[in-house]
Amino acid sequence: EDKVVQSPLSLVVHEGDTVTLNCSYEVTNFRSLLWYKQEKKAPTFLFMLTSSGIEKKSGRLSSILDKKELFSILNITATQTGDSAVYLCAVGGGTSYGKLTFGQGTILTVHP
Amino acid sequence: DAGITQSPRYKITETGRQVTLMCHQTWSHSYMFWYRQDLGHGLRLIYYSAAADITDKGEVPDGYVVSRSKTENFPLTLESATRSQTSVYFCASSDPGQGGSYEQYFGPGTRLTVT
Repeated sequence: EDKVVQSPLSLVVHEGDTVTLNCSYEVTNFRSLLWYKQEKKAPTFLFMLTSSGIEKKSGRLSSILDKKELFSILNITATQTGDSAVYLCAVGGGTSYGKLTFGQGTILTVHP
Repeated sequence: DAGITQSPRYKITETGRQVTLMCHQTWSHSYMFWYRQDLGHGLRLIYYSAAADITDKGEVPDGYVVSRSKTENFPLTLESATRSQTSVYFCASSDPGQGGSYEQYFGPGTRLTVT
């Protein structure tokens, strides 16, 4: 059974801090790992990673994948209150081409 | 409207009633998905569909029925609602074939309360 585990489950920081969110996975026939941000609405896409060691970056957010150790990290530097959200990690693989398996999510709270 | 829409956005129903949640997408994406989201569980896949008339069970299919007669629509029916089906339901679509992306695009969600 495919499995995605995120840590920590929740995190409270102050503005300006740097945070690292973790995602480990066990999936047959790995194809991709995706990060989503969810505020009080539908998840919105952040990154998709398919190759090890290549950092994806968007502003203060960056992510990298390690396919040997089966994990990914999402870094957020100089956090702002607008970064407060649930961050979801999802992995594509297994027998169904389009299916994603989601982790439980990390709840990030950024205080001013 | 372009994109992926869900209706209703909010629904309150009684135990034992049949409820249908609607999902419509305008991108002609091949794949469509239904998830439920509960505190502490992230997104759990209920059913998905790779194309019209092709559906398959996800992680938590019991108590739910789906159909997909047209590419753009993917309704989810709770045949006899139970309190444990109180949740937020998200529909999503993607088009991963032929070099496409695995990125799933989510609808706005339906908040269902079963009393």
